[in-house]
Amino acid sequence: DTGVSQDPRHKITKRGQNVTFRCDPISEHNRLYWYRQTLGQGPEFLTYFQNEAQLEKSRLLSDRFSAERPKGSFSTLEIQRTEQGDSAMYLCASSRVGGYTNTGELFFGEGSRLTVL
Amino acid sequence: AQTVTQSQPEMSVQEAETVTLSCTYDTSENNYYLFWYKQPPSRQMILVIRQEAYKQQNATENRFSVNFQKAAKSFSLKISDSQLGDTAMYFCAFIIGGNDMRFGAGTRLTVKP
Repeated sequence: DTGVSQDPRHKITKRGQNVTFRCDPISEHNRLYWYRQTLGQGPEFLTYFQNEAQLEKSRLLSDRFSAERPKGSFSTLEIQRTEQGDSAMYLCASSRVGGYTNTGELFFGEGSRLTVL
Repeated sequence: AQTVTQSQPEMSVQEAETVTLSCTYDTSENNYYLFWYKQPPSRQMILVIRQEAYKQQNATENRFSVNFQKAAKSFSLKISDSQLGDTAMYFCAFIIGGNDMRFGAGTRLTVKP
């Protein structure tokens, strides 16, 4: 397993367009998280899934944002009608909870950088 | 509110010297995990060290160690024998009950030759 992968790594779009990011977590991980990181800041929590269930959403996740994890494996994060303020790095992370192996650690992907012109 | 505060936006250290990064957090929970993550320029975040809140003994990982003061809600990271490859953003974080991980704003560490 090569870790958490995200696609695309960089997306440039015009204001008002829709964009979709994909995250493939580590295969045995049941938790998947999305974070947003702006330049010089720490990651801000957006949402997380346990298997296919979306358990928590941040108030940062406006109605233009939607995330899915339909089969409990990969996840997509879609931003509709993008705004310049959406420009950021979108980080995906995964973890395994339950059993005896819950260390609390999140494993991060390299991120998808969004630039809205 | 559950928050993480890193009061040092930037720090620098000479190669081979020791540096300490500060972190304080706020939570009313008793059981949680604390972490330091490293984010090199244009690269992904990787775990440096973790600490379970119920353990009194401070965690160590080679040149990295923490000073965990639960009552003071303080969790500092000490890097000994600093190396050029330690140059990165360092984020303090905690997670409660396997829910969302909260991060500080980060400290940019530069190791100078």
